Order: sequence, then structure tokens, then C-alpha cells
Amino acid sequence: AQKITQTQPGMFVQEKEAVTLDCTYDTSDPSYGLFWYKQPSSGEMIFLIYQGSYDQQNATEGRYSLNFQKARKSANLVISASQLGDSAMYFCAMREGRQGAQKLVFGQGTRLTINP
Amino acid sequence: GAGVSQSPSNKVTEKGKDVELRCDPISGHTALYWYRQSLGQGLEFLIYFQGNSAPDKSGLPSDRFSAERTGGSVSTLTIQRTQQEDSAVYLCASSLVGTSVSKNIQYFGAGTRLSVL
Repeated sequence: AQKITQTQPGMFVQEKEAVTLDCTYDTSDPSYGLFWYKQPSSGEMIFLIYQGSYDQQNATEGRYSLNFQKARKSANLVISASQLGDSAMYFCAMREGRQGAQKLVFGQGTRLTINP
Repeated sequence: GAGVSQSPSNKVTEKGKDVELRCDPISGHTALYWYRQSLGQGLEFLIYFQGNSAPDKSGLPSDRFSAERTGGSVSTLTIQRTQQEDSAVYLCASSLVGTSVSKNIQYFGAGTRLSVL
């Protein structure tokens, strides 16, 4: 079974609108971390936001927020007031276990295009 | 440097040749990770290092792939007898490790694009 599922291969949004990118995950480990990365056309993976499984509040980082619904096993990324520079691939990833150095498992990604 | 550095940025090789890909992690990061990104398979984990040892090599696709890390810093990923299916972008990441650093965020380099002809 897929551990991380991103159901939107592509999204098109008008500039300045908010956008939600979906991510669902599957794990039986009570301790895990969820990450979102942005990959522009240059190729580098840029860390955006992190949510721990025991965190009581949804994570926020500037225009990025994470809508964490633990019971539904979803961790959707919300980008407010989208900008042209937000056009990129976005990947959701999960790290299982409490130990720090663990591999990330990635979803297939969503290609976001912001239209002027 | 400030970020993870990978070299070369692009590598074109002939089938059957050996290649070496290099990763220089963020200074002070004890954990180093290699991933592969290809069109058909998405982003796949290959191996990670804690210091100079590799506790998890589960993602290496075959015995043609090997990696080492020396001095707790630079790592080299070696692919022997390259095949066309090895063509991909190879990404390196590094992170801090510690129970108090719950995020242990992995920071990525720009990758090496490998093309096997």
C-alpha cells in the first residue's frame, strides 16, 4: 500500500488565491513526522513545513500552513495568497519512528501552476 | 558552504562505465541521505549515513550501487557498470540528529542528473 498519497497530479490556480494541496498517509507507528517540500524547475528540494504526530496545533510557516487531521490521516498543505513564484512541484513526505535519522517516504507530487 | 553541495550537476556516461557522485553536506550535520528521482519511480530512498556508518542501505537497487562517507562529512555514491535504467537525478540531503531536535529536517542539494547512453 502507498504510504503517502497525493491525488492531484496538477493544480492550476489564479494568482493571489489560496490553494490546498492534498496528502494522505498510512502508518501504524504512533510517532511520525510529516513534511512538505517544494521543487522548482531548478531541481532543488526546498523544505517548507513540518508537522509532528504529537503536535497539538497545526503547523504554520509564513504563507504556508498544514491542515493536519490525524484521525483521517491527512496533512494538506495550504498556501495563502499564492504568487507566481509558487509554481513548482510539491511533495508530501513522511518519516516514521522517533529516532531522528530516518528515511523519508515521498508521495508522487503535485505540480502547481499559478496563473497571472 | 551554507547548503548541501553536489557534484557534478550533470553527468553523461556510456552504458557499462562506472560513475562517482559526490555530496558535501551542511557543516555539522551528522546524518546524510541519498535519494533517487526518476520519472517512473518518483523519489526513492537509497541509503543513509549516521557519521561514517550506514545503518540503512535498504534502498540500494543492486550490488552495482555502493556509497561511502569519510570523516563524517563528504559522501560518494558509486554506480558500477551503469545501465540505462540508472538514468535519474540523484539527490543528497543532510540533517542534524538528536532526540531534542524533533524535526531533524532534511536539507537537500540540487542533485546530479545522470544520463546513461
